[in-house]
Amino acid sequence: GENVEQHPSTLSVQEGDSAVIKCTYSDSASNYFPWYKQELGKGPQLIIDIRSNVGEKKDQRIAVTLNKTAKHFSLHITETQPEDSAVYFCAASGGSGNTPLVFGKGTRLSVIA
Amino acid sequence: DGGITQSPKYLFRKEGQNVTLSCEQNLNHDAMYWYRQDPGQGLRLIYYSQIVNDFQKGDIAEGYSVSREKKESFPLTVTSAQKNPTAFYLCASSIVGRNQPQHFGDGTRLSIL
Repeated sequence: GENVEQHPSTLSVQEGDSAVIKCTYSDSASNYFPWYKQELGKGPQLIIDIRSNVGEKKDQRIAVTLNKTAKHFSLHITETQPEDSAVYFCAASGGSGNTPLVFGKGTRLSVIA
Repeated sequence: DGGITQSPKYLFRKEGQNVTLSCEQNLNHDAMYWYRQDPGQGLRLIYYSQIVNDFQKGDIAEGYSVSREKKESFPLTVTSAQKNPTAFYLCASSIVGRNQPQHFGDGTRLSIL
């Protein structure tokens, strides 16, 4: 089955700097890659997703890139702000069939003012 | 307002007791999921259901049970067989299909007295 690895597990950046979180996946049949943001005491919220027919997608300060050959995808946050501090999860569609998303173990991002 | 409602937000269990966590959605989604979240472990799938009266085990189903009698409801019972039930439990729903995002509730934190 699908396996998703996420790095780093923790990340600290200065306010205004960029943050990058990377994920790799194992199943070449996966073709949907969402990213979630989880604030303390809340459930994860979808912030951006990408499908395998595109290599990059942007939404204001966040972007996701996908390299299907290397089986990795990344989340980029530019001009970070304190409210970006949260845990971020990547996920991949579970290969063939209608299996659920497989999640990475998360990255705790701290933006230091 | 459409969404997923989990209740209660905090739940305490005595040793040997079964407890049931509620999850209701009004998004008209066919698929629903239960995850367990422990620090540093990411989201681990307990059970999922893609249609009423049918459900499948996830990666850590032992000690848990579910039912899916109505499309909008997917309760999770943590049985006394679950030896380490203290965790944050998240419910999610989605449209059935490979490339569909999951939408999460705000979780229930279960603790052992």
